[in-house]
This record gives sequence, structure tokens and C-alpha cells, in this order.
Amino acid sequence: EPEVTQTPSHQVTQMGQEVILRCVPISNHLYFYWYRQILGQKVEFLVSFYNNEISEKSEIFDDQFSVERPDGSNFTLKIRSTKLEDSAMYFCASSPGTALPNTGELFFGEGSRLTVL
Amino acid sequence: ILNVEQSPQSLHVQEGDSTNFTCSFPSSNFYALHWYRWETAKSPEALFVMTLNGDEKKKGRISATLNTKEGYSYLYIKGSQPEDSATYLCAFLSNFGNEKLTFGTGTRLTIIP
Repeated sequence: EPEVTQTPSHQVTQMGQEVILRCVPISNHLYFYWYRQILGQKVEFLVSFYNNEISEKSEIFDDQFSVERPDGSNFTLKIRSTKLEDSAMYFCASSPGTALPNTGELFFGEGSRLTVL
Repeated sequence: ILNVEQSPQSLHVQEGDSTNFTCSFPSSNFYALHWYRWETAKSPEALFVMTLNGDEKKKGRISATLNTKEGYSYLYIKGSQPEDSATYLCAFLSNFGNEKLTFGTGTRLTIIP
């Protein structure tokens, strides 16, 4: 069964360093997302991506964050200069979707745990 | 800020017993409600996407109901099994024309053999 895969599963980095989290969504899906969960808190929306551009982003997704789909398969989240409060589990998700807004179920990856020291 | 709440936060249930828990969400600007099951060290897995008031969906021993006028959804598990142990997340999608799911804190369910 097709699945969303994420790498790395865990990354430890120093504050101020750049981090790239990688995701391979399900191949025929059209919508791509990044969510995150800080330990003990709710899962939070970061960004949605459709038709090769950001369709929506949250207040969390500031200038330090960017997303790319460079080659039609990978979907990456870059944090330019990490802060302590960026420590969280980051989830990539994709959805087949046929219209905006997409009400279809999301298919999540297993997450990338980011620890910023 | 959209408020999505789930209760209880955690629950221990004897194997074989049935259980239910609640998700409450804004009763205005409703578009869809999602339920996900999230087992430890795995990815959240969609159970249901509900869009119509009064909707009831079922998957095996798990079912869900939706009341959009009063802003709540119940998830029911009949005859709990150890494999039902997981965190159950609900997520609300508004009709603001956006893509953002707003999640509740989840209900952590532990089935006691």
C-alpha cells in the first residue's frame, strides 16, 4: 500500500543551524502539507501546497520556513535558522483531493523529530 | 482562533468493553470533521471524514456520529481490543475556504487485557 515517507526520523541540531526535512508523498496525490506537534501540545498546521505553490500557511510559518517540491516527488521543509522552540515532531501529509478546499483525508508520514539544542 | 476540544484526555478500558469519546468544535463555519487514529511510533491514520449534520460512519467496530448544529462528534468503539490502544485525534475544517485542519488534543485510549 502506498505510503508517505519522511527522512530523517530524528535530527538533532544546534540553534541557528539550517535543517531540511524531507518527505516523499504518495505519487498521485495533489495536496501536500506540513504539520508539527510540540511535545504535549496539539498537532498544528504549518503549510499547505497545491499546484506547485503554497496555498495556505499559518502564523508559525514565518520567513525562517520554506517548502519546495524540487523534482515532482520530494516535498521538503526547510528551517533556515533553527530556534529552541522549533523542537517538535514534524509531519508531512498528502491527500488526493480534487477541489479547493480539500476535504479529503490526509495520509501522514511517521514524522521527523527535530531537537534543537 | 478555532477551539477544538476532546474529552477525556485519556481513558483506560477493559478488553471487550465498549467506549466512546467526544470531540467538540465550533458550530459555525463548519466544513468537515476528520477522525484519525495514531498509534505510538506510527503515522496518524484516517478513520473518517464527516461533512453532513447527522452523519454516522462505521468502520468495523468503530463508528462516529456528527452534530454540526451543536458542534460535537462522538467516536464509539464496540468490544475494545488491545489493538485499539492509540491516540484518537479529531480535526476540524472550517468553510473559510482554507486548507488548515485544526486538531484537538486527542484522547489516549489504553485497552487493558
